[in-house]
Amino acid sequence: DAKTTQPTSMDCAEGRAANLPCNHSTISGNEYVYWYRQIHSQGPQYIIHGLKNNETNEMASLIITEDRKSSTLILPHATLRDTAVYYCIVHNTDKLIFGTGTRLQVFP
Amino acid sequence: NAGVMQNPRHLVRRRGQEARLRCSPMKGHSHVYWYRQLPEEGLKFMVYLQKENIIDESGMPKERFSAEFPKEGPSILRIQQVVRGDSAAYFCASSPRSASGPSNTGELFFGEGSRLTVL
Repeated sequence: DAKTTQPTSMDCAEGRAANLPCNHSTISGNEYVYWYRQIHSQGPQYIIHGLKNNETNEMASLIITEDRKSSTLILPHATLRDTAVYYCIVHNTDKLIFGTGTRLQVFP
Repeated sequence: NAGVMQNPRHLVRRRGQEARLRCSPMKGHSHVYWYRQLPEEGLKFMVYLQKENIIDESGMPKERFSAEFPKEGPSILRIQQVVRGDSAAYFCASSPRSASGPSNTGELFFGEGSRLTVL
């Protein structure tokens, strides 16, 4: 699975959009980009995934660059409950490998 | 549809004892994954099982750790002769299909974890 690089931490004001970047320059053609998050002490939660096209669901939007070497997860209106560690994972094997993620702190 | 159920949520063991952690996947899910999370660290893959088969155990320590997913009943992660370094949160995830391939959604459903403390 391709390696991903994410900032260690980010801050976001409540109500504003949170844009979490992820670099995956070695991604191969059949590898998907997945995003999960882990709220303190809880089990990880799936957010969204994509291959080439941008994706949107009730939780977030995923923007993948045309060359697929990077992506951005967008939480359109961050709330305090979105404070968590966000993991960007690139894979097409039988298991998900979690990196260190980005610790997003949403402040009032 | 109940989520992934893990028990016990908290387990305390003394060094040398055995720990058994159970995971009941979501209904209809036949793929189970175990992950370990040491304090202040990320999630580390341990093992991937389908019913009655271990598919990938590349993340399992070579000794004292074993996992099973019988035809009937929950998946069990067993740690023999626990040591202090085994203290961690152990998360189970399930999926209706393999997490790879063209038909996959990549979505794993995680339980709330079992927190093992070794005294």
